[in-house]
Amino acid sequence: DAKTTQPNSMESNEEEPVHLPCNHSTISGTDYIHWYRQLPSQGPEYVIHGLTSNVNNRMASLAIAEDRKSSTLILHRATLRDAAVYYCIPNNAGNMLTFGGGTRLMVKP
Amino acid sequence: KAGVTQTPRYLIKTRGQQVTLSCSPISGHRSVSWYQQTPGQGLQFLFEYFSETQRNKGNFPGRFSGRQFSNSRSEMNVSTLELGDSALYLCASSLIPGATNTEAFFGQGTRLTVV
Repeated sequence: DAKTTQPNSMESNEEEPVHLPCNHSTISGTDYIHWYRQLPSQGPEYVIHGLTSNVNNRMASLAIAEDRKSSTLILHRATLRDAAVYYCIPNNAGNMLTFGGGTRLMVKP
Repeated sequence: KAGVTQTPRYLIKTRGQQVTLSCSPISGHRSVSWYQQTPGQGLQFLFEYFSETQRNKGNFPGRFSGRQFSNSRSEMNVSTLELGDSALYLCASSLIPGATNTEAFFGQGTRLTVV
C-alpha cells in the first residue's frame, strides 16, 4: 500500500478556504486517491476521490498533482461543522481502506 | 435510503467474555468491511465480506471473526475479550468489492469497553 504523509493538525478561520495537503509519493498508477473525514463521535464519511484530473463535488475540491505524488483537498469556505480528522487514502483495494493518522482540522469562529 | 446501521451503539463486557456486533449495510451493497479504531493504533482494517465469504483479512488474532448472511448483513465476534479490545468498531458497506473508484459508507460504530 502507498504510504501517505499529512500534517498532524491544521487550523482555519470560519468562512475561509482551507487547503489540506497529502503526499503519496509511492502511489501506483491505478490507485484512486480518496479523502474521508471523521467528525467527533462519528464514523468516517466519504468526501471525494479522483485519479488524475481535479475533481469537484458539493463538499470539496480535489487537486491532484500532475505526477500524482501529492494531492490537496480544498474546502472553499470552512464552517464549524468541517472540524474533523481528514484522511487521504490511495485506494487499491476497494472496501479495504488503509487509514493513516490524518489531519485534524480545527475551525475557529 | 437508510445508511449503515450498527448495533448496539455501546457495550460493556468483562475480560474473558465474548461479544457479537452487528452491521446492516446500505440496501443493495454487498461488500461489508470491519475496522477497529483505538487512540493508539488509529483505524485498522479487520476483514471484508462479500457474498457470505471472507474476501480479505487484516492482521488481527483469530479471536476476531466474522460472517455475512445472504441478505448481506454482517456480524463480527470477538472471543476471550482482553482489555486491549476496548475500541470503536466500525462497519463500512460498498456496492462492489475491489472497486477503487467508489466510496465506502460507514456506520456510527459500536463502542466496546472491556473491564
